[in-house]
Amino acid sequence: QKEVEQDPGPLSVPEGAIVSLNCTYSNSAFQYFMWYRQYSRKGPELLMYTYSSGNKEDGRFTAQVDKSSKYISLFIRDSQPSDSATYLCAMKDSGYSTLTFGKGTMLLVSP
Amino acid sequence: DGGITQSPKYLFRKEGQNVTLSCEQNLNHDAMYWYRQDPGQGLRLIYYSQIVNDFQKGDIAEGYSVSREKKESFPLTVTSAQKNPTAFYLCASSILAGGGTGELFFGEGSRLTVL
Repeated sequence: QKEVEQDPGPLSVPEGAIVSLNCTYSNSAFQYFMWYRQYSRKGPELLMYTYSSGNKEDGRFTAQVDKSSKYISLFIRDSQPSDSATYLCAMKDSGYSTLTFGKGTMLLVSP
Repeated sequence: DGGITQSPKYLFRKEGQNVTLSCEQNLNHDAMYWYRQDPGQGLRLIYYSQIVNDFQKGDIAEGYSVSREKKESFPLTVTSAQKNPTAFYLCASSILAGGGTGELFFGEGSRLTVL
C-alpha cells in the first residue's frame, strides 16, 4: 500500500461548480497536511496548510483533515477556469522528515 | 524579491553527457531539495541537504550527484549513469531542515530532454 493515495483525474467540471479533491494516507504519524497547486510547466505553490485535524478556510478554498479516517480533502467553491491545474497533497510527521506527496489530481474547469 | 531561481528552464543534451542544473535561493533557508517529476509519477525526491557541506540521498538518487558548498546554492548533476534522465526537475527549499511544518518553496523547474 502506498503511503499517500490520490486519484490522478483528470477531473472536469463546469465553471461555478464545487470541487472536491481528496487524499488518503496510511501513516498515522502524519501531523502536517498541505495542498499545493501546480500550473502546467510551473513549480508547485503552497495553497493550504493544516496542522492535525480540523478545517481551514481561505476564500473559496477549504481544507479538511480527518485523522481518524486518514483522509484529507480540499474543497473549491465557485470554481473558475483559472483553477485549472494539478493539485498535490503533501504531508509529514512531527519529526525530522521530508514531505510525502500524493501523485496529484489534474483539475479542468471549463467556462 | 525572495525566491528560488532554477536555470536553465529548458535543456537539451545528447545521451551519455553529464548535465548540471542550477538552483539558487535568497530566502535564507537552511534546507534545499531536488525532485524529479514525470507524468503520472508525482514528485520523487532525488537528494536533499539540511546544512552546507552535507546532503542525503532521497528515493531515486542513483545516477545523480549534488553539492552544497554555499547555503544559497544546490546544483544537481545528472550523470550519464542515469538511465532515463528526460524529466521535469524541481528545486525546493524549506526554512528548517526537516523539522517543523516542512513547508516547501519551489522554483519554476528545469525541463531536461535527452536526445
